[in-house]
Amino acid sequence: QQPVQSPQAVILREGEDAVINCSSSKALYSVHWYRQKHGEAPVFLMILLKGGEQKGHDKISASFNEKKQQSSLYLTASQLSYSGTYFCGTVVGRSGSRLTFGEGTQLTVNP
Amino acid sequence: DGGITQSPKYLFRKEGQNVTLSCEQNLNHDAMYWYRQDPGQGLRLIYYSQIVNDFQKGDIAEGYSVSREKKESFPLTVTSAQKNPTAFYLCASSIGVAADTQYFGPGTRLTVL
Repeated sequence: QQPVQSPQAVILREGEDAVINCSSSKALYSVHWYRQKHGEAPVFLMILLKGGEQKGHDKISASFNEKKQQSSLYLTASQLSYSGTYFCGTVVGRSGSRLTFGEGTQLTVNP
Repeated sequence: DGGITQSPKYLFRKEGQNVTLSCEQNLNHDAMYWYRQDPGQGLRLIYYSQIVNDFQKGDIAEGYSVSREKKESFPLTVTSAQKNPTAFYLCASSIGVAADTQYFGPGTRLTVL
């Protein structure tokens, strides 16, 4: 039940926008987004719950489409500091289920 | 400061030796997790624990063992039965399970020579 992330990698110039998608074949309870810099621990970005609204802070936001069982992470006016690997983690079904991570999307922001 | 600590940051071992990775948290979280990450790969769950003295296997538990004798501590032993132990190991914790946010430690990079 591992979620599928797309694209696998994306290269941007500073100031450009990007969208990262996370899809599941099962009904989702929640979606968690993390960013990991090379050699470091993943850092929590945001969580989206079933029935909840779109979330965001600064220029990074996310949505949760319950009909499609998909979440999208939006990065607008990208900064160099946005570079890293973005992982989505999904909880399927009831809230007592496990968090399962996708394989990640590698984002590179160039000057 | 509250957080999760893992030690050591880098660990080298000879093939065939057992090795124990440390994970401690002072966040008062009930749940703790161990993940393995290989280069360019996602996070694969090894073991998790929701309460003291109880733990469950994750997706890749073979060749690993854990204990949870204290709420704050969740050590992982990589045994000689693990065929390819060289990897980046991440420990995490959360207030409860699943729907709660998981917070990660800095990781231990294990290299088996």
